[in-house]
Amino acid sequence: QQQVKQSPQSLIVQKGGISIINCAYENTAFDYFPWYQQFPGKGPALLIAIRPDVSEKKEGRFTISFNKSAKQFSLHIMDSQPGDSATYFCAASTLRGQNFVFGPGTRLSVLP
Amino acid sequence: GAVVSQHPSWVICKSGTSVKIECRSLDFQATTMFWYRQFPKQSLMLMATSNEGSKATYEQGVEKDKFLINHASLTLSTLTVTSAHPEDSSFYICSASRGALGYGYTFGSGTRLTVV
Repeated sequence: QQQVKQSPQSLIVQKGGISIINCAYENTAFDYFPWYQQFPGKGPALLIAIRPDVSEKKEGRFTISFNKSAKQFSLHIMDSQPGDSATYFCAASTLRGQNFVFGPGTRLSVLP
Repeated sequence: GAVVSQHPSWVICKSGTSVKIECRSLDFQATTMFWYRQFPKQSLMLMATSNEGSKATYEQGVEKDKFLINHASLTLSTLTVTSAHPEDSSFYICSASRGALGYGYTFGSGTRLTVV
């Protein structure tokens, strides 16, 4: 119940395309869903996060879509750029910071 | 804001020696910090939760005598890998949260430990 599933494991997108990464969770106590971007040899950096009281959040080229009934959320990267090539992790936790769980990650490669 | 500094960024040590990794919250106080381990091409695995002024809480399967955690102040937590062996070689990452109001977790830049 603590797992967060993430797909795909890897993703190759052409420059300018849309990258879509999906995550699913089981624990209905989760109420905070962040996405992290990690470059090789670096720690994860918070990209964007959403709470379940909204269905979508957009920040620049990054959008989170959230489906509470399906317990699923996804990250959309519009106009993908080679600089977006990184590993993306979805995560879930409670706002109190309990039970913080990472998905297994998606390696995104954006071809020039 | 919300910067977490981790030091060193990489370290090579001989088998049997101990290595200390520091994690500092630079512009906020963190009563709780977290230590993760990450193997190549894998996700982050929580090792322990570091609580200021009290003992750390270790995840199942993590040897508390091998991975010593000290959280002596609201801005500093340390992880000491004792009697390191090659299988301890990994990427260690700390994180901290400013609080329980959805600020999220800020991660350090990680420490690459290589035991030879």
